[in-house]
Amino acid sequence: NAGVTQTPKFRVLKTGQSMTLLCAQDMNHEYMYWYRQDPGMGLRLIHYSVGEGTTAKGEVPDGYNVSRLKKQNFLLGLESAAPSQTSVYFCASSPAGRSSTDTQYFGPGTRLTVL
Amino acid sequence: RKEVEQDPGPFNVPEGATVAFNCTYSNSASQSFFWYRQDCRKEPKLLMSVYSSGNEDGRFTAQLNRASQYISLLIRDSKLSDSATYLCVVNMAGGYQKVTFGTGTKLQVIP
Repeated sequence: NAGVTQTPKFRVLKTGQSMTLLCAQDMNHEYMYWYRQDPGMGLRLIHYSVGEGTTAKGEVPDGYNVSRLKKQNFLLGLESAAPSQTSVYFCASSPAGRSSTDTQYFGPGTRLTVL
Repeated sequence: RKEVEQDPGPFNVPEGATVAFNCTYSNSASQSFFWYRQDCRKEPKLLMSVYSSGNEDGRFTAQLNRASQYISLLIRDSKLSDSATYLCVVNMAGGYQKVTFGTGTKLQVIP
């Protein structure tokens, strides 16, 4: 049981390049999330999904797209990377998200630098 | 005013000391509260939920004060391994919609 995994762990991009971050969970969780963490800003929600085939915008969705074709996978895409997207990206999942006490389980993070 | 505010620290305390952190939240409709722990360059992990009546887990005690809109975390008998950043998390509604993370309080336990 690996929990939540993310690939890649590190990546350096040039401005304008595109990339996809992959998140996978083996806990059969319904809900999945993508966050970014920047110094002094806390974790901010980019997009989330409440189930296979569904996605929704979070607090800071601009410049990102997501897809959830399979329940266990949640992909985050950057179509044209910008230096402002330099950050640490965390994926998380939770059992259902309908209860206010549901816990989120986080992946190890992807450190992205955009030059 | 930020939705969730924490003193960033760092709190430098000697081993064996007792240390307490507070976290204030702005929305009185907030329903559930958590403390997460984040080690340097690692992912956040749930430390404990915070219940209205207060709760304890070993050396850790969490309390909620709805009237003053803050939660607290008390760590007794600090260990070197407690060194980390502690994130306050507030859920305004049932589910995912309004989960807000604080920026964290850094704790450094020194020998």
